[in-house]
Amino acid sequence: GESVGLHLPTLSVQEGDNSIINCAYSNSASDYFIWYKQESGKGPQFIIDIRSNMDKRQGQRVTVLLNKTVKHLSLQIAATQPGDSAVYFCADNRASSGYSTLTFGKGTMLLVSP
Amino acid sequence: DAGITQSPRHKVTETGTPVTLRCHQTENHRYMYWYRQDPGHGLRLIHYSYGVKDTDKGEVSDGYSVSRSKTEDFLLTLESATSSQTSVYFCAISASGNTEAFFGQGTRLTVV
Repeated sequence: GESVGLHLPTLSVQEGDNSIINCAYSNSASDYFIWYKQESGKGPQFIIDIRSNMDKRQGQRVTVLLNKTVKHLSLQIAATQPGDSAVYFCADNRASSGYSTLTFGKGTMLLVSP
Repeated sequence: DAGITQSPRHKVTETGTPVTLRCHQTENHRYMYWYRQDPGHGLRLIHYSYGVKDTDKGEVSDGYSVSRSKTEDFLLTLESATSSQTSVYFCAISASGNTEAFFGQGTRLTVV
């Protein structure tokens, strides 16, 4: 079947390098942001989140940076490993009929070479 | 996968036939969602539920209906499947609209 990775921007890195994946969002009212990782044939997996009252949040080998002024979100992966190869999506919450739902970006494919 | 089961995992159906996809959760989360994923479009919200019998439309709801008669089950129905509904469908759950959503493994639907 057709891969979810078709038509996606791709970031290719060497094992051990640091990776930075970027995302722009459009809704200035969004106050919650998430990064997901999706491996081939699987559902998206939560990596890290950040709320709009923060600029930076760190997890294990991952850091998310939020710049609300330019509506930009980035995911930094330290010491990238072959197992990090996947499609990465950012998502932000948007209100609809009084309830918030997540809206996803189109994704970036990360390819890690040994 | 955070106690989420989607069924079936794969289905091939003919144009014009009704199809129902099921999402079952064991986490007792209030919110449940149906997304479709297509190359070049990412994940798009079809419908969501914020409680039993409480549902609302998402970005791409035309041709789809949903039902939630109990907390653990969220059904997505294609009343009359079309080839444009060939896609991978994901169910997700969350405790609230402002917390992380957890996804199922997906259902690959092919309409021929």
